[in-house]
Amino acid sequence: KAGVTQTPRYLIKTRGQQVTLSCSPISGHRSVSWYQQTPGQGLQFLFEYFSETQRNKGNFPGRFSGRQFSNSRSEMNVSTLELGDSALYLCASSLGTGWNLVDYTFGSGTRLTVV
Amino acid sequence: AQKVTQAQTEISVVEKEDVTLDCVYETRDTTYYLFWYKQPPSGELVFLIRRNSFDEQNEISGRYSWNFQKSTSSFNFTITASQVVDSAVYFCALSEAGTGNQFYFGTGTSLTVIP
Repeated sequence: KAGVTQTPRYLIKTRGQQVTLSCSPISGHRSVSWYQQTPGQGLQFLFEYFSETQRNKGNFPGRFSGRQFSNSRSEMNVSTLELGDSALYLCASSLGTGWNLVDYTFGSGTRLTVV
Repeated sequence: AQKVTQAQTEISVVEKEDVTLDCVYETRDTTYYLFWYKQPPSGELVFLIRRNSFDEQNEISGRYSWNFQKSTSSFNFTITASQVVDSAVYFCALSEAGTGNQFYFGTGTSLTVIP
């Protein structure tokens, strides 16, 4: 059974550019959540998508957005990149939303560096 | 306010020693889950254990054990007979019934097991 797949694995972007990261959940999983991990702020929740709808959102500026497709794959987009956006971006998938967390599985992440 | 506190930033132990990682959480929900994750250098968050707020029974799973005490809002994790492969960053996390798949993570404890 394939795990959660995040692409690309590494990314280098310039300040002011935008970036799109992709997350393919485990087959059958319909919920995808995104997290940002930085040395200063640690692991912070960005948003969750379930059945193509955003279910929950963390405290991040509007430059951070996401979407989910009908096949449950999700993308997150960061516009007008800032140096502080350099981070490891992790996604996690699960069968459902709410309390179905037994199968909550993280991907290996995309490491974004903004120069 | 920080919902999950891991006061230990770094711990070093000699191989075969036991080590306990501390976690204190804060929530107003009566229904919640607590988790421990391990993050090796590759970046992926590896699930270790999970406990719900209604089950304070402490268990042992192989070399892992945990001590959940609601009275002190603590969820400590112990590795018995540590091995070099246990070297990683360990995260405690909280998920509240009211926020579904949103996890609140502690700042992590970096464990180094010295051969």
